[in-house]
Amino acid sequence: DVKVTQSSRYLVKRTGEKVFLECVQDMDHENMFWYRQDPGLGLRLIYFSYDVKMKEKGDIPEGYSVSREKKERFSLILESASTNQTSMYLCASSPLHDPNTEAFFGQGTRLTVV
Amino acid sequence: DAKTTQPNSMESNEEEPVHLPCNHSTISGTDYIHWYRQLPSQGPEYVIHGLTSNVNNRMASLAIAEDRKSSTLILHRATLRDAAVYYCILPSGTYKYIFGTGTRLKVLA
Repeated sequence: DVKVTQSSRYLVKRTGEKVFLECVQDMDHENMFWYRQDPGLGLRLIYFSYDVKMKEKGDIPEGYSVSREKKERFSLILESASTNQTSMYLCASSPLHDPNTEAFFGQGTRLTVV
Repeated sequence: DAKTTQPNSMESNEEEPVHLPCNHSTISGTDYIHWYRQLPSQGPEYVIHGLTSNVNNRMASLAIAEDRKSSTLILHRATLRDAAVYYCILPSGTYKYIFGTGTRLKVLA
């Protein structure tokens, strides 16, 4: 069964902490994505990566960075967490340059910054 | 990137068909139309996709207008488990998936 796994379902962090959200996929997909989801705003793309060590900004990259050192793993980093980064974070993966196949999503990480 | 427009919410009675519309008037000739849904407290899951022809799978059917400027996701017999937010998207650029706010489907018992 194909899978995108996010390391935590729930996280509580303090303001100013450095936060790492981890995502692993087992489908050998080139593309990986990080989204955040907030009520009334839908899913918004933060960053995506189409290869190891490659990354591109999405619509809302401010306050975030990413790391892709291995094909199967894509990490989202909050350098200094703030309360406005309290949100649901979703990771996804898909094959490169093939819109005729679907993307797969993880179950999400609900992050609360206090 | 091509944009999609969907109604914010719809209701259906259980066991009845549901037609979820999506407008994508700026679609390009090579854009696939994808549908995903998000059940409560879960990540989005794939439902169906197509390019020009109507498509069927075990979950749903996708009807694509001849000019491709709109499409309709059809759930043939809605169940309570189909209550979710449904997203119509057009993977673009390097095939990043841009989601709008989708349609919240409520199924009434």
